[in-house]
Amino acid sequence: DGGITQSPKYLFRKEGQNVTLSCEQNLNHDAMYWYRQDPGQGLRLIYYSQIVNDFQKGDIAEGYSVSREKKESFPLTVTSAQKNPTAFYLCASSIAGQINYGYTFGSGTRLTVV
Amino acid sequence: AQSVTQLDSHVSVSEGTPVLLRCNYSSSYSPSLFWYVQHPNKGLQLLLKYTSAATLVKGINGFEAEFKKSETSFHLTKPSAHMSDAAEYFCVVSQGNTPLVFGKGTRLSVIA
Repeated sequence: DGGITQSPKYLFRKEGQNVTLSCEQNLNHDAMYWYRQDPGQGLRLIYYSQIVNDFQKGDIAEGYSVSREKKESFPLTVTSAQKNPTAFYLCASSIAGQINYGYTFGSGTRLTVV
Repeated sequence: AQSVTQLDSHVSVSEGTPVLLRCNYSSSYSPSLFWYVQHPNKGLQLLLKYTSAATLVKGINGFEAEFKKSETSFHLTKPSAHMSDAAEYFCVVSQGNTPLVFGKGTRLSVIA
């Protein structure tokens, strides 16, 4: 079945550590996105990529980094510069240029700083 | 820039009664509008979408929404709530090829 796989489902980070969240899709979608979800805040865009080897900052990119070396993969690194990283992170994908079809979402990664 | 405002952060209904989740949007030209549903600790699932075709849009699980340009609204309705409808609902707007913009969500509770 085609879809998006996010791993791990739960992740714990110590203060000052970088962690990387995985997002893989087998839908042959060109565009991929990372959103952060906090209670009562909806989803806020961190980074997005519409083509391999290219990506753009979203509304809250500070403290995060991404790479897009392969069409199927769009990993997100939460760096030590992110002051409040505890949140639910969602990855999504879409057909580039056809956003009116909506996104397909992964099941999310819950990151907790300990 | 486009935006959406979900007018209620929490809605509570009794099982078998109608559901109304309200959403207003702001967009400089013809938007695409969506409703997504999220069950606890899960990803988001597309309920329905409006993309400049029929103004009354039918989605999955008996939900529908009506696009009203004069009121800049896209409210989500369902005639009869079921316990399984309890979840978080997001109204979403897109304009052109820009990334989707999400509202802050409405939590729907269904009382037996």
